[in-house]
Amino acid sequence: GAVVSQHPSRVICKSGTSVKIECRSLDFQATTMFWYRQFPKKSLMLMATSNEGSKATYEQGVEKDKFLINHASLTLSTLTVTSAHPEDSSFYICSARQEPNTEAFFGQGTRLTVV
Amino acid sequence: GQQVMQIPQYQHVQEGEDFTTYCNSSTTLSNIQWYKQRPGGHPVFLIQLVKSGEVKKQKRLTFQFGEAKKNSSLHITATQTTDVGTYFCAGLANAGKSTFGDGTTLTVKP
Repeated sequence: GAVVSQHPSRVICKSGTSVKIECRSLDFQATTMFWYRQFPKKSLMLMATSNEGSKATYEQGVEKDKFLINHASLTLSTLTVTSAHPEDSSFYICSARQEPNTEAFFGQGTRLTVV
Repeated sequence: GQQVMQIPQYQHVQEGEDFTTYCNSSTTLSNIQWYKQRPGGHPVFLIQLVKSGEVKKQKRLTFQFGEAKKNSSLHITATQTTDVGTYFCAGLANAGKSTFGDGTTLTVKP
């Protein structure tokens, strides 16, 4: 299957700082990328949908000013967690798909710990 | 909004026993996808079902899509220890985004 690379895999940051997570599709052009948050032993909660060259669409309850998403090219989307708090600690994972109604390929995920 | 319910939440089986997880959507789906997530890993795509009543097989795994395109199942025959993990269904409705079920975590006792 197609490869999606997510970086970093783990990050520890101090409260109040910002953290940027990158999601890259390595061997295909991703028209759409998705950002999810996963709590331990829980399902994937969609945070936002990102289309290249346009503003991200955020799910209800997700603060767009806190979770900044940039989809600058067909192979790169970034999620920036601004002014991080301990409750933002979680597993963040992206997925990318090439065309509508096709399967999505997931990155390896980023374990964020805010201390 | 669209809801996708998946049962059971956990399943513990003896190696060699069969396993089934069920997925039910509150709305009619365009397609449904199944993913497997190993402990500590990320979801890996298994299969996509599109047609009403579709049945697909991958070795010991059998996937079904209901006639009404609102439910689906994944059945594993004769489980092995390598089958452990959490299996998620993801239903795609008209909005163009998939909604994931809560997942079924399978443990296999050797």
